[in-house]
Amino acid sequence: DVKVTQSSRYLVKRTGEKVFLECVQDMDHENMFWYRQDPGLGLRLIYFSYDVKMKEKGDIPEGYSVSREKKERFSLILESASTNQTSMYLCASSFSGVRGTGTGELFFGEGSRLTVL
Amino acid sequence: GDSVTQMEGPVTLSEEAFLTINCTYTATGYPSLFWYVQYPGEGLQLLLKATKADDKGSNKGFEATYRKETTSFHLEKGSVQVSDSAVYFCALSEDDMRFGAGTRLTVKP
Repeated sequence: DVKVTQSSRYLVKRTGEKVFLECVQDMDHENMFWYRQDPGLGLRLIYFSYDVKMKEKGDIPEGYSVSREKKERFSLILESASTNQTSMYLCASSFSGVRGTGTGELFFGEGSRLTVL
Repeated sequence: GDSVTQMEGPVTLSEEAFLTINCTYTATGYPSLFWYVQYPGEGLQLLLKATKADDKGSNKGFEATYRKETTSFHLEKGSVQVSDSAVYFCALSEDDMRFGAGTRLTVKP
């Protein structure tokens, strides 16, 4: 089975702290994604990567950055956490395709719930 | 741009009731359409998909038909169970993956 593992299920941070969210997939997928999930808004794409060291902005990249140094690992970084970044963060991966989609399927991790105080 | 609109919840049904969750989309080309499900405390997982017009996706008793003429992909199940309680997301994939807002379903015994 495809497994996407997110390093932390629950985090509590203070305003201004630097936050790292880690995601690892074990199926050799080319594409990896970071979404945030908020009630009533569904999933919104923050960043995605279709290859090592490659990244592209999604719909809401402001306040976030990403790193993909190895194929299996995709990190989301909040340089200076703010209260409006309190959310559920979901990592996903998929096989290659145009931005990993078309007829493709996304495989999701269990999510990381971040609270910024 | 591409977008997905699905019926707002929450939806509460009794066990064995019929379920419909409406989903319509806007796209410039010929997208693939998906339903994902999120059980409590878990990430999203694919429930079913359809890649072209008139295709029917099905899984675990759920069905959805890709209707290009009405730009719809409504999710249906003839008899829901308590274990179907979850949040359901309609999604569209063309240049990227777009999700609807999600519909929370609660099934009561």
